[in-house]
Amino acid sequence: GQQLNQSPQSMFIQEGEDVSMNCTSSSIFNTWLWYKQDPGEGPVLLIALYKAGELTSNGRLTAQFGITRKDSFLNISASIPSDVGIYFCAGTGNQFYFGTGTSLTVIP
Amino acid sequence: SQTIHQWPATLVQPVGSPLSLECTVEGTSNPNLYWYRQAAGRGLQLLFYSVGIGQISSEVPQNLSASRPQDRQFILSSKKLLLSDSGFYLCAWSVGTGRPFFGEGSRLTVL
Repeated sequence: GQQLNQSPQSMFIQEGEDVSMNCTSSSIFNTWLWYKQDPGEGPVLLIALYKAGELTSNGRLTAQFGITRKDSFLNISASIPSDVGIYFCAGTGNQFYFGTGTSLTVIP
Repeated sequence: SQTIHQWPATLVQPVGSPLSLECTVEGTSNPNLYWYRQAAGRGLQLLFYSVGIGQISSEVPQNLSASRPQDRQFILSSKKLLLSDSGFYLCAWSVGTGRPFFGEGSRLTVL
């Protein structure tokens, strides 16, 4: 099935730094979702976006639904060690598709 | 509230042996059900999805099959495992094409 282009593929950052990742698609989506997967576990939903231009926060996480409806961004402020994991974007239209994932490593 | 469970959590099987991974959902009716495979902690590859009992769609031709004998039960099977079947298998459910919710995952190692 189709996959979204997610970047960067991996990030190594110092604790306290901010993180930015994004997801792009050639198709328009009605909903954008961001998940986090801890090692050895299933992905857990972090943020859901339902409207173009929408900006939503969940604690230190902020995500935006791109105006073109073909992209989305996730920012994490003041990273901490427990932010480590793989972050996936997902877009839904008549079905949903997942990004290729961004692996985040936070160095204490 | 809705919950999803899959088992076993970990499985080590020899090449050529059969496989059965089971997934059940509670607290909802007529969910869409999905099986994904994740290799080496990377992207999610959709293997099968089902919109109803006995309705299975395959995304990728392979050595695996899926069945949905009951509304909230989804089973991933193989008659003869290959080394390349090793990976982390995730079951998920959604209401229509709404946001998916994932199970805990099953780690399969084929030796």
